[in-house]
This record gives sequence, C-alpha cells and structure tokens, in this order.
Amino acid sequence: DQQVKQNSPSLSVQEGRISILNCDYTNSMFDYFLWYKKYPAEGPTFLISISSIKDKNEDGRFTVFLNKSAKHLSLHIVPSQPGDSAVYFCAASALSNDYKLSFGAGTTVTVRA
Amino acid sequence: DTAVSQTPKYLVTQMGNDKSIKCEQNLGHDTMYWYKQDSKKFLKIMFSYNNKELIINETVPNRFSPKSPDKAHLNLHINSLELGDSAVYFCASSQVKRVKRPQYFGPGTRLLVL
Repeated sequence: DQQVKQNSPSLSVQEGRISILNCDYTNSMFDYFLWYKKYPAEGPTFLISISSIKDKNEDGRFTVFLNKSAKHLSLHIVPSQPGDSAVYFCAASALSNDYKLSFGAGTTVTVRA
Repeated sequence: DTAVSQTPKYLVTQMGNDKSIKCEQNLGHDTMYWYKQDSKKFLKIMFSYNNKELIINETVPNRFSPKSPDKAHLNLHINSLELGDSAVYFCASSQVKRVKRPQYFGPGTRLLVL
C-alpha cells in the first residue's frame, strides 16, 4: 500500500521556467516531509524538508508547500536549470516512527534548453 | 570525505551464493538504514539500526541479516541469493532526535543475481 504517491511519472520544462512537482499522501500521522533528488547511478540527495507545523519552506530556488487538509505537498523549482534534470522523490515519516521514510515512486524532470 | 559510503558499488553473482555489502557513515549519526530499490524504482525500507540496536525489520526474508558492529557501520549479509534479490541497495544514516532530520544516502550497490 503506497502511502505516498507521485502521480506524474515525468515532467518536461523549459530552462528558466518553473517546475512544479506534486505529491499526495494518505497517512494522517505523517508529520515530516522531504524531497530528494536522484541522478542515475547515484544515491538520493536530500533537497528540502518541511514539518507539518509549517505550510511553506524555502531554500534558494526550491520551495516546498504543504497543504495538510488536502494531504498534498508540492515542490517548486524556480528558475529551472539543466542540472535540475533528475528523478525527484517525495518522502514522509510519521509522528510515531522516526526511523522510517515512506517514498513516492518518483517524478523524472527534464529541463530543456 | 564521503558522508555515507558503500562497497561494492556493483556486485554480480550466481544464485545460491552468499554476499555482503558494507556501509560506513562519517556524519556521527546514531541511526543507519538499508533500503531496496526494486525494478519498479520504489525505495522501500528494509532495516533500521539505532545505536547498534535493530529498530525496524520490514518483513524481509531471514536470508538477509544486517550487522552493526558500531554506530558508524551497518553491513548487510545475504545468504542463498535468489534472482529476485537483484536490485539496488541503498544505505542511509540520520540523527534521530526530537527535531526531525533528513536521512542521507550512500551511492547504492547494484546487485545482479544470475
């Protein structure tokens, strides 16, 4: 049972424009959410996170928005750059379980020149 | 100065063999993890160790045995390898405290069982 869902397997965006990646979750006990970026043949790299007590967190070009009532979060990348082409994973952990991350299936982002 | 390292990066072996994958972190974290990325690219947790104590064992066959000699190392031993064990295995670490912190991943070990 996938508790974290990324329904868009791929996204293509022009360089300089905004990339918006979406993620939905079903477990209301999740209280910490993360986005990871992964290049081929490498491990996932932590990008940005947000606690459930916030609805927005920003770090440079990356902003994560959390809508708890809709059980939805999104990652905005502005402006998109060629080096942003990668697979992006949404992940979450529950209040009761600090030790486990549940991952979405990933969204492949391609930034076109 | 790699934060989380794994060896080997690639592992090709025959069915029925026993193999080990090693993981080390130099971040001073107290918790380490093994994740499996299957052919559908899902990342799923297998094990978690906190201060050398097993915390999570997610219905993994007992052919898989993790061992944590100290807080900086978490090795994965696999007995009697099967074709379905072919996957990418990622080690990760984090510091688990009141304030949640991210997990940091190693580069992965690509296991192919023939």
